[in-house]
Amino acid sequence: DVKVTQSSRYLVKRTGEKVFLECVQDMDHENMFWYRQDPGLGLRLIYFSYDVKMKEKGDIPEGYSVSREKKERFSLILESASTNQTSMYLCASSSHAGLPGETQYFGPGTRLLVL
Amino acid sequence: GIQVEQSPPDLILQEGANSTLRCNFSDSVNNLQWFHQNPWGQLINLFYIPSGTKQNGRLSATTVATERYSLLYISSSQTTDSGVYFCAHSGAGSYQLTFGKGTKLSVIP
Repeated sequence: DVKVTQSSRYLVKRTGEKVFLECVQDMDHENMFWYRQDPGLGLRLIYFSYDVKMKEKGDIPEGYSVSREKKERFSLILESASTNQTSMYLCASSSHAGLPGETQYFGPGTRLLVL
Repeated sequence: GIQVEQSPPDLILQEGANSTLRCNFSDSVNNLQWFHQNPWGQLINLFYIPSGTKQNGRLSATTVATERYSLLYISSSQTTDSGVYFCAHSGAGSYQLTFGKGTKLSVIP
């Protein structure tokens, strides 16, 4: 069965802290994604990666960085957390075999509160 | 980029009722998909529906690509249908999905 896991379901951090959100997938997928979800705004893409050590900016990369040292793991880093980064963070993965109907598989999400 | 508009933004149903959710696009889209996010945050894919109609149990989806919209039908709704429904699309040759803002559905007993 397809599985995407995220390191924490809930996280509380202080302003200025460095925050690491970890995502692991067991499907040997090439593509991995980080989104944030805010009420009324839907899902917005922060960063994605289509291969190990590769990364591409999404729609809202400011204030975030990512790391992909292994195929199965994609980390989102908040260098200096701010209150406006309080949000739900969702990780996803997909294959890039180029077949019709390929979809993204999502982790359970991390609810981050920055105080 | 292509604008995605979902309607209605919120919907409250009595258990057993039927509903239709709509997704409009400002231009032709590829790889149109519908997702459901349960109240605990888990997102799962419901349909890949670039055109035509598909059915899966009480859910069905129709996309009319030439008129740039897609519909998700829920029949005989159950409380477990509650959550947020998103439509999403990707550009030609792209792995990225662009999501609409969602329709929040609440099914009450």
